[in-house]
Amino acid sequence: EAQVTQNPRYLITVTGKKLTVTCSQNMNHEYMSWYRQDPGLGLRQIYYSMNVEVTDKGDVPEGYKVSRKEKRNFPLILESPSPNQTSLYFCATRWPGQGIKEQYFGPGTRLTVT
Amino acid sequence: SQQGEEDPQALSIQEGENATMNCSYKTSINNLQWYRQNSGRGLVHLILIRSNEREKHSGRLRVTLDTSKKSSSLLITASRAADTASYFCATDDNFNKFYFGSGTKLNVKP
Repeated sequence: EAQVTQNPRYLITVTGKKLTVTCSQNMNHEYMSWYRQDPGLGLRQIYYSMNVEVTDKGDVPEGYKVSRKEKRNFPLILESPSPNQTSLYFCATRWPGQGIKEQYFGPGTRLTVT
Repeated sequence: SQQGEEDPQALSIQEGENATMNCSYKTSINNLQWYRQNSGRGLVHLILIRSNEREKHSGRLRVTLDTSKKSSSLLITASRAADTASYFCATDDNFNKFYFGSGTKLNVKP
């Protein structure tokens, strides 16, 4: 079954404690992306990756890091989380190519930073 | 920001009625997509309309695009309780950055 998985699904942590949210896909998609969703603001893109070892900033990259060492995985790293990073996070993938825009989303990770 | 804005923010209708939601965006686009999100879950792609298309259908969904007004609408006909969800429009800058609106929350009462 084609899917995008995220772990953990729920996380409560404290300010400053480094954390990683994993994203994995089994569709062999080259493009992967991270979004955060906040009430009233919709989804905002944090980082995206066109392929292995290629990453670019989205609209709200501050406070986040990513890496793309293998095609299937795209972890989101918060080196020093702060309360304003409390949010619902989604990983998404899509087929490569300029004409293909449909994205497949993971189930989400709800992060609370106290 | 290129981010789209949906209107209305919330919509409540009876089962069987039609639901219309609108999206406005700020810059020129090559295409526009609509997604659906059930409460707190991942988004699911519904339909994509290209800038050279004015209308597109998929089952009970009808999407229109007016590039002169920088707006799109999503019509769900004969709505069902299972259509209760949030609906988002999304555009991209053709360089792989995507922009989502803040969504319309649709409640279909049985």
